[in-house]
Amino acid sequence: GNSVTQMEGPVTLSEEAFLTINCTYTATGYPSLFWYVQYPGEGLQLLLKATKADDKGSNKGFEATYRKETTSFHLEKGSVQVSDSAVYFCALSDSSSASKIIFGSGTRLSIRP
Amino acid sequence: GAVVSQHPSRVICKSGTSVKIECRSLDFQATTMFWYRQFPKQSLMLMATSNEGSKATYEQGVEKDKFLINHASLTLSTLTVTSAHPEDSSFYICSAPRGDTEAFFGQGTRLTVV
Repeated sequence: GNSVTQMEGPVTLSEEAFLTINCTYTATGYPSLFWYVQYPGEGLQLLLKATKADDKGSNKGFEATYRKETTSFHLEKGSVQVSDSAVYFCALSDSSSASKIIFGSGTRLSIRP
Repeated sequence: GAVVSQHPSRVICKSGTSVKIECRSLDFQATTMFWYRQFPKQSLMLMATSNEGSKATYEQGVEKDKFLINHASLTLSTLTVTSAHPEDSSFYICSAPRGDTEAFFGQGTRLTVV
């Protein structure tokens, strides 16, 4: 079945450092890929998404490219801020329903001032 | 602001009692909602699909008699954990799709059974 594997955390970086959180997936068909973020005490929010191969999703300085050849959707940001501290989930849409989301295990990111 | 509201955010209950968690779509109608469960340091696992006006669809391995789902209106789905046990302690989160493009998530409910 479909699944998502992402980098284990926690990840701790200094402010303005470069961030990469790796994500790979296994899927039949052509799922959409997502990154969700969960800030402390809040619900999940969609950070960015890509719906087909070679698409690049971007938002708030974060970006990820849908790589079909490597089945990857790595999240990157050039210069992180303390406010980026959160848990990040890589996810894909189930082929049977675009709204049914399958998640990775989540990566906790902490940014030091 | 939030478009899906989940309540309560935290609940502590005694073993053997039942707990109801509500999930509301605030400014749109949702004929389908999804319930997830997250164990510590693990992924969110889909438990069931809540269907307005009909029975919920449960994922393999989820006990439907233990996790009762009711989707009585186009804006409300409820998950009731019946006869709760400590192993039911977990983080439960709902989502509601708006249109065909995005699913919105509630804030989640931390359930602790003592």
